[in-house]
Amino acid sequence: NAGVTQTPKFQVLKTGQSMTLQCAQDMNHNSMYWYRQDPGMGLRLIYYSASEGTTDKGEVPNGYNVSRLNKREFSLRLESAAPSQTSVYFCASSVQGPYEQYFGPGTRLTVT
Amino acid sequence: GQQLNQSPQSMFIQEGEDVSMNCTSSSIFNTWLWYKQDPGEGPVLLIALYKAGELTSNGRLTAQFGITRKDSFLNISASIPSDVGIYFCAGQQASNYQLIWGAGTKLIIKP
Repeated sequence: NAGVTQTPKFQVLKTGQSMTLQCAQDMNHNSMYWYRQDPGMGLRLIYYSASEGTTDKGEVPNGYNVSRLNKREFSLRLESAAPSQTSVYFCASSVQGPYEQYFGPGTRLTVT
Repeated sequence: GQQLNQSPQSMFIQEGEDVSMNCTSSSIFNTWLWYKQDPGEGPVLLIALYKAGELTSNGRLTAQFGITRKDSFLNISASIPSDVGIYFCAGQQASNYQLIWGAGTKLIIKP
């Protein structure tokens, strides 16, 4: 079991460029999440998918979109990157609901 | 957004020492989770607590769900170098699907 995998590991974008962060889990979990982590801060929820076919906004959704492609995959898209989106992005999954979440290794994104 | 108050922010420990940290809120929580994050990695779940007063251990780690449901505590006994990292608490409320996260406690080993 690979658990939760994320690609890419690192990315540098220029302001205005777009990109998609990929996440996949092989634990047959129903719920998936996207977080961002900024230095010295806890995790902030961007979007989540409680189950396949549903997505909802979290605490900081502005500037992002998501797609729950199937039960395994949940992608995060930045349509027009801004320097304020420089952060480390984590994908997580749980069996059902916001309880025991399992995290991927993260994507370190820099927007210049 | 709402945050949990996690303390201390950081602590220097000597190998072999016991460590205590806590998470408090003015609101009631149904679930408390404790995670550890190593540099460059994602958080790893250590302990999950689901009932007020619950005391759960995972090796040298022990966590408690406060009886008031507004706080939780994590203790590490006989610390070792690999305990270094950032420990996060997270809580879930009945009315809120999302987890609420503390800002973390950074554990550093004294040279």
